Amino acid sequence: SYDLTQPPSVSVSPGQTASITCSGDKLGDKYASWYQLKPGQSPVLVIYEDSKRPSGIPERFSGSNSGNTATLTISGTQAMDEADYYCQAWDSSAHVVFGGGTKLTVL
Amino acid sequence: EVQLLESGGGLVQPGGSLRLSCSASGFTFSSYAMSWVRQAPGKGLEWVSGIGGSGGSTYYTDSVKGRFTISRDNSKNTLYLQMNSLRAEDTAVYYCAKYDGSTWYGDYWGQGTLVTVSS
Repeated sequence: SYDLTQPPSVSVSPGQTASITCSGDKLGDKYASWYQLKPGQSPVLVIYEDSKRPSGIPERFSGSNSGNTATLTISGTQAMDEADYYCQAWDSSAHVVFGGGTKLTVL
Repeated sequence: EVQLLESGGGLVQPGGSLRLSCSASGFTFSSYAMSWVRQAPGKGLEWVSGIGGSGGSTYYTDSVKGRFTISRDNSKNTLYLQMNSLRAEDTAVYYCAKYDGSTWYGDYWGQGTLVTVSS
């Protein structure tokens, strides 16, 4: 099996930068994607292939992936960014794997 | 506009069966992989199963192997998940998602359908 580890929670003040990490064995050799999930809504893809933003996703969302860690960065965090964030990768043994999720609190 | 609409969820007893459907529109369905992803109450996202565009390749998470079967009917633009021998731990909202089949990210998601396994 393949495991991805995220911090359970991250807090950030409005306007500041939030960083959410995702750790896995040789994760930098795989493609990471990130999803935003708000209560009562469906997941939204915010980053794919490590650092690409889908159309409609604000520029304040960015991503990187190297070594054993992928990072989702939200610059100038807004109240509307408060949500759960999940990283995801593909592994040849486990196929698609999600991290445990990180609750981002904007306070 | 890409749309994915799940149906078929509901209440089922342990050991029972259920078939979920996902009707797709707004893209060339047969050209894309699809996946089922679930979220149990109070838990995180869990990938359940995936299928290639032609339907020839299927993949499952270990906990559902031998109990769930993913399939697709490209003539009807519909994805299915046949769930047998259901357990309480299968209780979740099930989402279908359009996936890129090369780097496996889900770019469009349905609204989800709730499956409750309880006596």
